[in-house]
Amino acid sequence: AQSVTQLDSQVPVFEEAPVELRCNYSSSVSVYLFWYVQYPNQGLQLLLKYLSGSTLVESINGFEAEFNKSQTSFHLRKPSVHISDTAEYFCAVLDAGNMLTFGGGTRLMVKP
Amino acid sequence: DGGITQSPKYLFRKEGQNVTLSCEQNLNHDAMYWYRQDPGQGLRLIYYSQIVNDFQKGDIAEGYSVSREKKESFPLTVTSAQKNPTAFYLCASSGRYYEQYFGPGTRLTVT
Repeated sequence: AQSVTQLDSQVPVFEEAPVELRCNYSSSVSVYLFWYVQYPNQGLQLLLKYLSGSTLVESINGFEAEFNKSQTSFHLRKPSVHISDTAEYFCAVLDAGNMLTFGGGTRLMVKP
Repeated sequence: DGGITQSPKYLFRKEGQNVTLSCEQNLNHDAMYWYRQDPGQGLRLIYYSQIVNDFQKGDIAEGYSVSREKKESFPLTVTSAQKNPTAFYLCASSGRYYEQYFGPGTRLTVT
């Protein structure tokens, strides 16, 4: 069975500082990887995905993630965060049966 | 606008009562899913359906039931057999490109 580990449950950071949210997965097969964002009392929104091709993927709001096969990681980064980025972020991996396995989530707290 | 709707947003029930949560999608997706989310935890899969009139148990199906009579609809019933039903319930659907799209969620409180 696949598993996803998000190493930090909470990440506090000051506004305009860079941030990295870490995600490691276990898989013996080709992987499709996703990052979702959840604002309080809302559903999850797809932030970005890696299916194939370039290992660096970007979202429209400045986040990027890099697929590293040798380290089985898919860390999420942003060079300069805003207050509005405060949310919970979930990493997920799609298995061969098209089922998503989620990490436990990382709460990003951006302080002014 | 295409998307997934869940209703109601908040639901309150007394212990011992069954309750049904609604999930509708107009994305023409074949697959639909129900997840449960508890505070500070990730998502756990309750049931999923990859085609009309067929569904499979997820990791925590005990105390829940579903139906899939129409492609657009995948209601979840939380039965009185579910020992800890208070949670945030999320419905999702997926099409041919694998990513799942989520509804806004229903927060169920059972007292």
